[in-house]
Amino acid sequence: KAGVTQTPRYLIKTRGQQVTLSCSPISGHRSVSWYQQTPGQGLQFLFEYFSETQRNKGNFPGRFSGRQFSNSRSEMNVSTLELGDSALYLCASSLLLQGPGELFFGEGSRLTVL
Amino acid sequence: GQSLEQPSEVTAVEGAIVQINCTYQTSGFYGLSWYQQHDGGAPTFLSYNGLDGLEETGRFSSFLSRSDSYGYLLLQELQMKDSASYFCAVRSGKLIFGQGTELSVKP
Repeated sequence: KAGVTQTPRYLIKTRGQQVTLSCSPISGHRSVSWYQQTPGQGLQFLFEYFSETQRNKGNFPGRFSGRQFSNSRSEMNVSTLELGDSALYLCASSLLLQGPGELFFGEGSRLTVL
Repeated sequence: GQSLEQPSEVTAVEGAIVQINCTYQTSGFYGLSWYQQHDGGAPTFLSYNGLDGLEETGRFSSFLSRSDSYGYLLLQELQMKDSASYFCAVRSGKLIFGQGTELSVKP
């Protein structure tokens, strides 16, 4: 069974640009959540999707957006990039929305903003 | 606000036992989970406590006291490969993670 796949794994952008990150969940998983991780920080919750609907959103500015497609694949977009957006962006999938079950994480997309 | 507190660093020797504590303050609570992350890779699930008490999975155990808003992860018979970051996480609507504890296992 394939795990959670995130693309691209690494990318470099400059301030003001925008970026789109992709996440393919484990087959059969309908819940996808996104996290931002910076050095010394925990995982900061960005948003959570289930059945193509955003169910929860973290405390990030409107430059951060996402969506989920009918096949459960998800994308997140960051517009007008700032230096502080440099981080590891992690996607996780699970069978249930807000269930007690484990989250399965991808390897992440490491974004560097210059 | 919602917060989880855990120590930033813990050091122990191979073969020893180490306990990583986690206290939480959240508006809702539906369980405490623990995740392990090696060198910025994919976090992996270790354990989940929905009710008070101890859950054991091999060398790892996790404990929860909902009345104290407290839990811990216990790692026994430490091995070098256990050197990693450990995160507690609370399901409160969304899943909120602590800042992580970096465990260093020395020979």
